[in-house]
Amino acid sequence: DQQVKQNSPSLSVQEGRISILNCDYTNSMFDYFLWYKKYPAEGPTFLISISSIKDKNEDGRFTVFLNKSAKHLSLHIVPSQPGDSAVYFCAARKETGANNLFFGTGTRLTVIP
Amino acid sequence: KAGVTQTPRYLIKTRGQQVTLSCSPISGHRSVSWYQQTPGQGLQFLFEYFSETQRNKGNFPGRFSGRQFSNSRSEMNVSTLELGDSALYLCASSSSQAGGTSAQYFGPGTRLLVL
Repeated sequence: DQQVKQNSPSLSVQEGRISILNCDYTNSMFDYFLWYKKYPAEGPTFLISISSIKDKNEDGRFTVFLNKSAKHLSLHIVPSQPGDSAVYFCAARKETGANNLFFGTGTRLTVIP
Repeated sequence: KAGVTQTPRYLIKTRGQQVTLSCSPISGHRSVSWYQQTPGQGLQFLFEYFSETQRNKGNFPGRFSGRQFSNSRSEMNVSTLELGDSALYLCASSSSQAGGTSAQYFGPGTRLLVL
């Protein structure tokens, strides 16, 4: 049972434009969400997170939006750079009681120079 | 601050053998979690340790076990290896005792190939 879903396996964007990666979740107990970037044969690199008490969190070129009623979050990267090309995973967990993350299946982002 | 380190980085074993993987968390982090990444199943949670105690366990068979030492370093053991255990095993550390709003930081992983 996939509780966190990333329905787009891949996304291509021109350099300088906006990249929007989407993620949906089904478990209403999730209240903390994270985005990770991953290169092949490496561990995921933490990018940005958001708690359910917020609907937006920004860090430089990265912004995460959370729509709790729709159980949907998105990661915006502006402007996109070729170095952003990687697989992006969203992850979710309950804010209290456990550190185990539930991951989506990932979206491969390709930024075209 | 040094990141999460995992050893070894690559390992080749044969079916039926056992393997032990090691993880050293970020200094000061007391929570260590283990994940398995495979092409078919994605990233799946194995178990989490905090202060030498297993706090959470994912849906994996008993062949998968772990432990944590007083210095927060953790080991994961897989006994009676099967071909399907071939995967990237990732360790993550966190400063948080119980979720909270602290991110988990991952190591580079150990690539295990079972022949």
